[in-house]
Amino acid sequence: QITLKESGPTLVKPTQTLTLTCTFSGFSLSTSGVGVGWIRQPPGKALEWLVLIYWDDDKRYSPSLKSRLTITKDTSKNQVVLTMTNMDPVDTATYYCAHIPGYGDYFDYWGQGTLVTVSS
Amino acid sequence: DIQLTQSPSFLSASVGDRVTITCRASQGISSYLAWYQQEPGKAPKLLIYAAATLQSGVPSRFSGSGSGTEFALTISSLQPEDFATYYCQQLNSYPLTFGGGTKVEIK
Repeated sequence: QITLKESGPTLVKPTQTLTLTCTFSGFSLSTSGVGVGWIRQPPGKALEWLVLIYWDDDKRYSPSLKSRLTITKDTSKNQVVLTMTNMDPVDTATYYCAHIPGYGDYFDYWGQGTLVTVSS
Repeated sequence: DIQLTQSPSFLSASVGDRVTITCRASQGISSYLAWYQQEPGKAPKLLIYAAATLQSGVPSRFSGSGSGTEFALTISSLQPEDFATYYCQQLNSYPLTFGGGTKVEIK
């Protein structure tokens, strides 16, 4: 059974760096084709894809946020870490991590999400 | 970037109704499209991938169709648990993009 869970601060100040951790079970990020992605959703708004990382450490970033994002994986800990620099109130959103199966960039399993509020 | 336009953005329907949501891509994406359902306060759930393949465990009243730039999600007989917001997502090229969502509410 695949599960994912996001963890990190619920409140960050403008200009600070956000670090979120996705801890997962039921799959290995060393399995060919598998990946983990991050998606966010501002309150009352649509989903927005941010970044993903594959089993072979290939990474894909949203161009609009690429300069602010870093994604890494720790296969031994079953974790993926997202950092986003220079946080702004418009970055207030629920952040989700999700599993990518080996047959396409779909998100077939999602974490519960974590609401991050950016405010001074 | 490939833009996905969903219509309608809001839909009011009754239990038992047949409902169709459309998703239009700004350029051809073959069959690289997925549909998700999101209930209030919950994470999205994958319903359909490859435009028409039903994800394991998803009821057969859900179906997907289309290719190229025009896609549709159909619910053959709306059930109380289907009242939610639905999103399409393209995976033809990066950046991955989602549609703006269609909220299905009870009439």
